[in-house]
This record gives sequence, structure tokens and C-alpha cells, in this order.
Amino acid sequence: QQQVKQSPQSLIVQKGGISIINCAYENTAFDYFPWYQQFPGKGPALLIAIRPDVSEKKEGRFTISFNKSAKQFSLHIMDSQPGDSATYFCAARDNYGQNFVFGPGTRLSVLP
Amino acid sequence: DVKVTQSSRYLVKRTGEKVFLECVQDMDHENMFWYRQDPGLGLRLIYFSYDVKMKEKGDIPEGYSVSREKKERFSLILESASTNQTSMYLCAIRTSENYNEQFFGPGTRLTVL
Repeated sequence: QQQVKQSPQSLIVQKGGISIINCAYENTAFDYFPWYQQFPGKGPALLIAIRPDVSEKKEGRFTISFNKSAKQFSLHIMDSQPGDSATYFCAARDNYGQNFVFGPGTRLSVLP
Repeated sequence: DVKVTQSSRYLVKRTGEKVFLECVQDMDHENMFWYRQDPGLGLRLIYFSYDVKMKEKGDIPEGYSVSREKKERFSLILESASTNQTSMYLCAIRTSENYNEQFFGPGTRLTVL
């Protein structure tokens, strides 16, 4: 129940296209859903996050869509750029343990 | 800016060796974490600490121990390294000002031969 599933494992998108990464969870106690971005040789860094009381959050070209009833959330990257090439992790935190559970990651490659 | 430093970027050890991975933060943050990152498995929590001399097991503590004698330093110890502990190890901190974000160090790539 602590697991967060993420797909696809890898994604190749042309420059200017839309990148979509999907995550799903089972634990209804999760109350905070961040996305982390990791470039090669670096640690992950917080990109954008959402709480389950809203269905969408947008920051620049990055949007999280959240479907509470389906227990799914997704990251959309509009106008994808080669500089967006990185590994993306979705995560979830429950309101009891306060620790994060991470998805397995998606390696995004944006072709110039 | 929050700064998390890990002692080594790359480390090669032999099976059975005792291995120390060091993580240092530059502020007075209480919460520190050790994760390992493996392809297809994401980040998995090994141990975490909420304060000096305090430690809690994460999801995969077997084969590891930790030490936190000073607030700024959190060490991960592999008592007897094994090949299945070859991985990327990430240290993270969480600030009391923003409980929702973890700040990660650059990672240590450990290879156990």
C-alpha cells in the first residue's frame, strides 16, 4: 500500500512536444504529491507539488493533474526542451509518518 | 541556500570491507535521510534521523547502520559491504521551515567488488 507506481520507464519526445508522466498510488493517507527532477550527476530537486484538494497546479511549462477518485496524478511538460532531459520521480507523503515514498522514475529525453 | 555535501562522489570497495558514507549540512536542520537509488526501483529510504543521536529505520535498513553524533553530520555505515549494496546513495535534509521539501546531496556512487 506504500507503493507509488510510475510510467513510462523512459520517454522520448521531440522538442516542442508534450511530455506526460503518470503515477498511481493506493494509500489514501497520502496527502502531498511532489515531483522531483534529477539531472545526471546531481541529486533530485523539487520541481512542483500538489495537494489532493486541488485537481491541477501549473508552474510555467510544468503542470500536475490530480485525480483523487482514481488515485492518479500526472506531470505534463508543455513545449518540452532539450534542457528538460532528466529523470523525473513522482512521490507521495502520508500524514502519519511524514516520510516520502518515491516512484521508480522516468528517464525523459527531449530531442533537438 | 541549503547545502548538502557528501564526502565522496565515487567509491570502490571490496566485499567484506566496512564502508562509511558521510553527509554534512551547512545549517542547523534536524531532519536527515539516507536513500539508495537503483534503476527501476527509484529512491528507497534506508535510515533517517530527527535529531542528534536519534535514528529510525526506513524501508530497507538491513545491512546498514547510521550515526549522528553532531547535528550537521549523518553517516551511513555498511558494516560488511556486499555486492548487492552497489548503488547510488543519496543524503537528504528537510528543513523545519519547509516540511514539504527534501534537499538532496549530489550522491555517492558506491561499487562493491
